[in-house]
Amino acid sequence: EDKVVQSPLSLVVHEGDTVTLNCSYEVTNFRSLLWYKQEKKAPTFLFMLTSSGIEKKSGRLSSILDKKELFSILNITATQTGDSAVYLCAVNAGKSTFGDGTTLTVKP
Amino acid sequence: GAVVSQHPSRVICKSGTSVKIECRSLDFQATTMFWYRQFPKQSLMLMATSNEGSKATYEQGVEKDKFLINHASLTLSTLTVTSAHPEDSSFYICSAGTWGEKLFFGSGTQLSVL
Repeated sequence: EDKVVQSPLSLVVHEGDTVTLNCSYEVTNFRSLLWYKQEKKAPTFLFMLTSSGIEKKSGRLSSILDKKELFSILNITATQTGDSAVYLCAVNAGKSTFGDGTTLTVKP
Repeated sequence: GAVVSQHPSRVICKSGTSVKIECRSLDFQATTMFWYRQFPKQSLMLMATSNEGSKATYEQGVEKDKFLINHASLTLSTLTVTSAHPEDSSFYICSAGTWGEKLFFGSGTQLSVL
């Protein structure tokens, strides 16, 4: 059975802090790993990772994949209150398996 | 970017009635659509995978006769909750994509069964 585990489950930081969210997985037929940000309801896409060691970056967010150790991290630098959300990691192995998410709260 | 339209966004119905939820990809052809269910403060739970022109593949524990999925075209999939009961009340989200690529999510449907 495919499995995706995210840690920590929740995180509270202050504006300006840097956070690292973790996602480890055990799947067969790995195709890609994706990060989503979920605010209110539907998730919005952040990154798709398919190759090890290549960092993807978008503004203050960046992510990298390690296919040997089977994990990915999502970094957010200089956090803002608008970054408060649930961050979901999903692995696509024919179908998508989601982790339970990390709830990030950024306080002013 | 790609847009997936899901409606209705909210529906309240009486127990025993059926509810249909539509998921459309507006500017791309989605070979695969997924239906999820989300309970409060929990992650998305995949219910079924829908491929255009073929029968949906349901996850273990999901009743195929209760949650009817139709994927008649490359831009439209529907989920019908048949004979809904209060325990079916939940947030349902669809996503659409092509094989192995990123998914685009609908805005979700909040179903409340009285």
